[in-house]
Amino acid sequence: DIQMTQSPSSLSASVGDRVTITCRASQSINNYLNWYQQKPGKAPKLLIYAASTLQSGVPSRFSGSGSGTDFTLTISSLQPEDFATYYCQQSYSTLFTFGPGTTVDVK
Amino acid sequence: QVQLQESGPGLVRPSETLSLTCSVSGGSISSSYWSWIRQSPGRGLEWIGYIYYSGTTNYNPSLKSRVTISLDTSKNQFSLKLRSVIAADTAVYYCATLPVVTPPYYFYMDVWGKGTTVTVSS
Repeated sequence: DIQMTQSPSSLSASVGDRVTITCRASQSINNYLNWYQQKPGKAPKLLIYAASTLQSGVPSRFSGSGSGTDFTLTISSLQPEDFATYYCQQSYSTLFTFGPGTTVDVK
Repeated sequence: QVQLQESGPGLVRPSETLSLTCSVSGGSISSSYWSWIRQSPGRGLEWIGYIYYSGTTNYNPSLKSRVTISLDTSKNQFSLKLRSVIAADTAVYYCATLPVVTPPYYFYMDVWGKGTTVTVSS
């Protein structure tokens, strides 16, 4: 299995802050990496696929980068609706796996 | 826009079979990939498997011996059966769709149902 890790596991930030979340794969996954946002009691929502392609309708303050084993999700200016948990997920392997999540909460 | 809705029992006895259905509206099940994912505090998000509209399936090896995902095109639904459940199968179960992709085959789950909580307990 390809193991996904994320750092930090949680962070506190303020509206307007630039936020960066890191995801690391246990082996190279090229750019087969997706990012999801989940709010309490809701299903995950796709933000980015193929490491850097913004899903339709997702605000441009979200961006993704990386290739191989190391990836980042950046929120350029945190908005009130962005407080949530973020997950990465790899689709390089036929066994899809998710990271443990990074929770962004209010400082 | 495709919408998905999970349905099924919220309580299943240990050793019995968990059966869930995902109803698809706003689109045809005779396209795309259709997937099940579950989430629990102890295991996080866990991908269970998917079925292609052709009937081809791909399952998580850790669950493969107990899982069946099937399509019902007449009802525009797909289903999950998980046999011989144990307490560790207690989770929120989500259905989701993956668009049909061309090479280089970037798979991603772009539409999700709201999820349904299943508790395994006697």
